[in-house]
Amino acid sequence: NAGVMQNPRHLVRRRGQEARLRCSPMKGHSHVYWYRQLPEEGLKFMVYLQKENIIDESGMPKERFSAEFPKEGPSILRIQQVVRGDSAAYFCASSPNKQETQYFGPGTRLLVL
Amino acid sequence: DAKTTQPPSMDCAEGRAANLPCNHSTISGNEYVYWYRQIHSQGPQYIIHGLKNNETNEMASLIITEDRKSSTLILPHATLRDTAVYYCIVRPVGNKLTFGGGTRVLVQP
Repeated sequence: NAGVMQNPRHLVRRRGQEARLRCSPMKGHSHVYWYRQLPEEGLKFMVYLQKENIIDESGMPKERFSAEFPKEGPSILRIQQVVRGDSAAYFCASSPNKQETQYFGPGTRLLVL
Repeated sequence: DAKTTQPPSMDCAEGRAANLPCNHSTISGNEYVYWYRQIHSQGPQYIIHGLKNNETNEMASLIITEDRKSSTLILPHATLRDTAVYYCIVRPVGNKLTFGGGTRVLVQP
C-alpha cells in the first residue's frame, strides 16, 4: 500500500509565478490536510479538505492561496503570484476519516527566487 | 487545542532506552496524545497515540499518567536512525494537528 505521495518534491519559481503542489492520499483515504513548514520553524496547519469540500481553511493566508480536492485526482495547493516568503516545505497528510491518524507525505520544497 | 511542553533537546546513547517527556496539563477529556517525529527534513512520521491507557507498538511505548496531564514516549533501544525532532501533540477527535517546537533528540554512539 503506497503511502501519501506528493509532487513535485522540489519546485523553483520566480516571484510572480504560480506554484501548484499535488498530493495523492493513501488508498482509501478521503481526508487531506495541508501543512507548511517555514525554514527553521515548526509545521503549521493550513487547510483540511474532504472530497470536493473544504472543511477547515483557518490556516490559509487570505490571499493568493487556494486548495481543492476534486472527486477524481489529487488534492492541489495553488499559490498565485509567489513571493520569497512563500519559500517553505509544504506537507500534506491523509486519513480515512476525521477521527483516524493522519499520515504524512514527503513534502514539496518550494523555493522562490 | 491544549498546549504541550517538551524539553528542547536531549541526548541519548545508542542501544539505551530514550524517555521523552511531555506536559499537557490543560488537556481535555476528548483529546488524544499523539507523537510524531521528523527526521531531518522528511515528512513527519507517525509513532503512536493514546487517550488514557498506556500503548505499545513496534516503534515505541506511550505512558500516560493517570490524571492525563503528562506523558512519556519510550524508545526501548535507540539507534542512530532515531535521531530526529519528536513532537508531542494533543488533538481533539477530528481536528488538525498543532505542532510545537518538539524535542530534538540526538542519539550518539
